Amino acid sequence: QKEVEQNSGPLSVPEGAIASLNCTYSDRGSQSFFWYRQYSGKSPELIMFIYSNGDKEDGRFTAQLNKASQYVSLLIRDSQPSDSATYLCAVRRGGGADGLTFGKGTHLIIQP
Amino acid sequence: DADVTQTPRNRITKTGKRIMLECSQTKGHDRMYWYRQDPGLGLRLIYYSFDVKDINKGEISDGYSVSRQAQAKFSLSLESAIPNQTALYFCATSDPSGLAGNYETQYFGPGTRLLVL
Repeated sequence: QKEVEQNSGPLSVPEGAIASLNCTYSDRGSQSFFWYRQYSGKSPELIMFIYSNGDKEDGRFTAQLNKASQYVSLLIRDSQPSDSATYLCAVRRGGGADGLTFGKGTHLIIQP
Repeated sequence: DADVTQTPRNRITKTGKRIMLECSQTKGHDRMYWYRQDPGLGLRLIYYSFDVKDINKGEISDGYSVSRQAQAKFSLSLESAIPNQTALYFCATSDPSGLAGNYETQYFGPGTRLLVL
């Protein structure tokens, strides 16, 4: 069983709309959750991290965490064509280990 | 200048050859990581290092070895390259002593694209 699951997409959203990206994880002991954005051929760059249940907002981005449901989401408001990329959900490995476990990523396309 | 650099950026090699990928960072971070990325499989952790004397295996360490020559340098070696090691390899760093709430953020280098024929 894959530890971090994402729908690979592509997810197509009109410009100006809200893009909703979802992620589930299997390790109930996970504590730290990250969203990275990756443009084609480039390295991942951090969008947001979240540790506590609830919502966390940063500009046009909102991360949502529900530990009971083992679910993390990323909302992008007022989507722009420059938001078109692959979005990677990542969970910090627990049990004394380090490093991140990544989902396969969701390919987001913002249609002008 | 980039904080995390990787050399080479692209490499073509033949099956059975030994190759080394290098990573250097100027961020002053203690922790360094090697990941590989394959289409459809996402990023997977190969090795990580807490400091020069502490190196740990990740999910997929078989066929790889690493060397932490200094705080700023972390090298990944393929002792005998095979075609299924063709992938995009990323080095990353993190600073667990950083600001609260941000200490686990990982910063990625530009990647090395490796093709094993």
